[in-house]
Amino acid sequence: GQQVMQIPQYQHVQEGEDFTTYCNSSTTLSNIQWYKQRPGGHPVFLIQLVKSGEVKKQKRLTFQFGEAKKNSSLHITATQTTDVGTYFCAASGNTPLVFGKGTRLSVIA
Amino acid sequence: ETGVTQTPRHLVMGMTNKKSLKCEQHLGHNAMYWYKQSAKKPLELMFVYSLEERVENNSVPSRFSPECPNSSHLFLHLHTLQPEDSALYLCASSQGTASYEQYFGPGTRLTVT
Repeated sequence: GQQVMQIPQYQHVQEGEDFTTYCNSSTTLSNIQWYKQRPGGHPVFLIQLVKSGEVKKQKRLTFQFGEAKKNSSLHITATQTTDVGTYFCAASGNTPLVFGKGTRLSVIA
Repeated sequence: ETGVTQTPRHLVMGMTNKKSLKCEQHLGHNAMYWYKQSAKKPLELMFVYSLEERVENNSVPSRFSPECPNSSHLFLHLHTLQPEDSALYLCASSQGTASYEQYFGPGTRLTVT
């Protein structure tokens, strides 16, 4: 079945540093979604990317979908303590979402 | 956020007990899901219901039994669980099963003793 690999598994950054998590698939994806789960919370939808090469921004967050639609990235500029949590990518298409294992971000003030 | 609610929020049960988890969505969605979240497998899809019909069952042991009486309610019936079943059980809903964002409930933290 469809699988998405997410790296890194963990990332510790100083507040103010940038952060990037990557999501890769061996197959072409119809679209990809990103979710954030705060510690003790539940996953919350952030964004969906559909088009090849698509780039979307939400304040300090930049989401990219690769040209071949096999990979995606989430980049956070100048991290803040409010960014802590686990970021999941999820591949969607004709089947229910397949989630990556997530990247847990820690931000040291 | 109260779009998807789950009860109970915490549950401790013995291996011989029978309990049920409840999920309710107030978003008018047609699809509902059960996920298991643990340290080993962060988001493991268990069951998918679309328009009250089960459309996916990811090789889940029979000690977990889902029920979807209508499009707004989803249950997970538990019996003779094992300690390794201790995890956070998340319910989610979406408009459809493909390419739609999912809305998650707060989860039930289950501990099997």
